[in-house]
Formats: sequence, structure tokens, C-alpha cells
Amino acid sequence: EPEVTQTPSHQVTQMGQEVILRCVPISNHLYFYWYRQILGQKVEFLVSFYNNEISEKSEIFDDQFSVERPDGSNFTLKIRSTKLEDSAMYFCASQRGQDDTQYFGPGTRLTVL
Amino acid sequence: GESVGLHLPTLSVQEGDNSIINCAYSNSASDYFIWYKQESGKGPQFIIDIRSNMDKRQGQRVTVLLNKTVKHLSLQIAATQPGDSAVYFCAENNNAGNMLTFGGGTRLMVKP
Repeated sequence: EPEVTQTPSHQVTQMGQEVILRCVPISNHLYFYWYRQILGQKVEFLVSFYNNEISEKSEIFDDQFSVERPDGSNFTLKIRSTKLEDSAMYFCASQRGQDDTQYFGPGTRLTVL
Repeated sequence: GESVGLHLPTLSVQEGDNSIINCAYSNSASDYFIWYKQESGKGPQFIIDIRSNMDKRQGQRVTVLLNKTVKHLSLQIAATQPGDSAVYFCAENNNAGNMLTFGGGTRLMVKP
């Protein structure tokens, strides 16, 4: 069964550094998402992406964040200058059509020191 | 150690019993609801969904009930097994966009 994959599984970085989190969505899916989950808290929406542009973004997704689909398979989340409060699990999700289920990847744990 | 976060309600059941996990949602415009299961260190895993034109939907060992009048969603798991132990989240979508809004989660613990 096709799955969303994410790399790395764990990223440790220093405050102020840039990080890129990578996702490979399910191959025939058209809608892509990033969510995050601070330890012990709810899963929170960050951004959705369709047709090579951002469809929606939350207040969390400020100008330090960006997303890109650089080729036909990868979907990336970049944080330009990480802050301590960016430490969280980051989940990528993909969806075939607008009314279909969102399938989540296993997540990347980001630790900012 | 772990940082302080939301205190998750916990449901503890005996293996073989039925489990009922509840969720209240706030947005009356939401028209699509999903239950996800999250095991420790993993991403949310889709269990079952329901649209607002239905009040009940059944899957394998799971049933979702939707009461739009009181904005309440429940997940029933029949014959609960140790492998069902996880945190269960409800999520809603209002179809104005595709973002999912997640609830706070319930931890299900199954005693053998």
C-alpha cells in the first residue's frame, strides 16, 4: 500500500539555522499539507499546497516558513531561521482529490537547541 | 523528561470489551469528520470518516456516530484489542478549504 514518507526522522539543529524537511507524498495525490505537533499537544495545520501554490496557511506559517515542490515527487518545508519554539513533530500529508482522505507520513522530529 | 502539554483524557478498557471515544466539535460549518489513531512516535493513521449528510458509518470493528444537533462525534471500537492502544484524534473540515482541525485526543489503554 502506498505511503507518505518523510526524511529525516529526527533533525537536531541550532537556533537560527535553516532546516529543510522532506516529504514524498503518495504518487497520484494532488494536495499536500504540513502539520506540526508540539510534544503532548494537538496536531496543528500549517499549510496546504495545490497546483504548485499555497492554498491556505495558518498563523503559525509566517515568513520564516516556505514550501516547495521542486520536482514531481518531493514536497519540502523550509524553516529559514529556527527558533526554540519550532521544536515539534512535523507531519506531511497528501490527498488525492479535494474530497478524499488525507494520509499522513510518519513525521520528522525537529529539535532546536 | 517530557515537557508539559495538554493532559489527555484516558480511557482504560479490558481486552475484548467495546470502547467508545467521544469528541465535541465547535464549527457548525464543518461537514467532514475523520478519526485518526496515533501510536507513539508515529503519524496519525486514518481509521474512518463520515460526512455531515450521514449520522452513522461502519467499518471493520469501528463505527462512527455523528450528532450534528449537539456537535458531537463518537468512535466505537468493538472487541478492543491490545493493538488498539493509542491516542485517538477526531478532526474536522469545513470544506471552505482542506485544512483539518484536530481535537485534543483521547488515550485508549487496553488491559490484557
